[in-house]
Amino acid sequence: DIVMTQSPDSLTVSLGERATINCKSSQSILYSSNNKNYLAWYQQKPGQPPKLLFYWASIRESGVPDRFSGSGSGADFTLTISSLQAEDVAVYYCQQYYSTPPTFGQGTKVEIK
Amino acid sequence: QVQLVESGGGVVQPGRSLRLSCAASGFTFSDYGMHWVRQAPGKGLEWVALIWYDGSNKYYADSVKGRFAISRDNSKDTLYLQMNSLRAEDTAVYYCAKDRGSTSPYFDLWGRGTLVTVSS
Repeated sequence: DIVMTQSPDSLTVSLGERATINCKSSQSILYSSNNKNYLAWYQQKPGQPPKLLFYWASIRESGVPDRFSGSGSGADFTLTISSLQAEDVAVYYCQQYYSTPPTFGQGTKVEIK
Repeated sequence: QVQLVESGGGVVQPGRSLRLSCAASGFTFSDYGMHWVRQAPGKGLEWVALIWYDGSNKYYADSVKGRFAISRDNSKDTLYLQMNSLRAEDTAVYYCAKDRGSTSPYFDLWGRGTLVTVSS
């Protein structure tokens, strides 16, 4: 199974400041035949189900604010919130769908300083 | 509207069985693969099972293989998870999730989940 490791486990950021979450896979999840990275990002707010933010590592899901961006390739990926808002307090998960079983990172909790 | 609604959770003794259901609406259920994903209290997300759009293929996490069975009824737009020989470590919120197709197997729609508690 592909192991997904996120860092840090938690992050405290001031309103309006940048938040950066890293995600590393135990093997490359870049499929060479289509040059796509099989990585998604989800946001889970307290008491709610996860919500898809990004797929193919950097394609923003419809309705996701553009202060969120996804980047990276191969085995190293980043989720960035350019200007943290109060409503962004949540746990963020990366997930690979390169192979079965799909696997998630352990989550990164983002809080306001 | 587009939604998934899980039901069937509850408190069950170790070794007993439970069947979860997930009712889909607002999209063509029979076009998409469907998954169960669980989350133990205070923990992260764990994928449990996948069934293809037509039910022809099924996949399971090692932790539930041989005990859980995923199925679907496309005539009723409903997904199921039959859980047998339940253990304390199966205690979790169980979410059903839709993928965006066989070539895009990420989860673009989630239900609100149903809580399963395995306890004597």
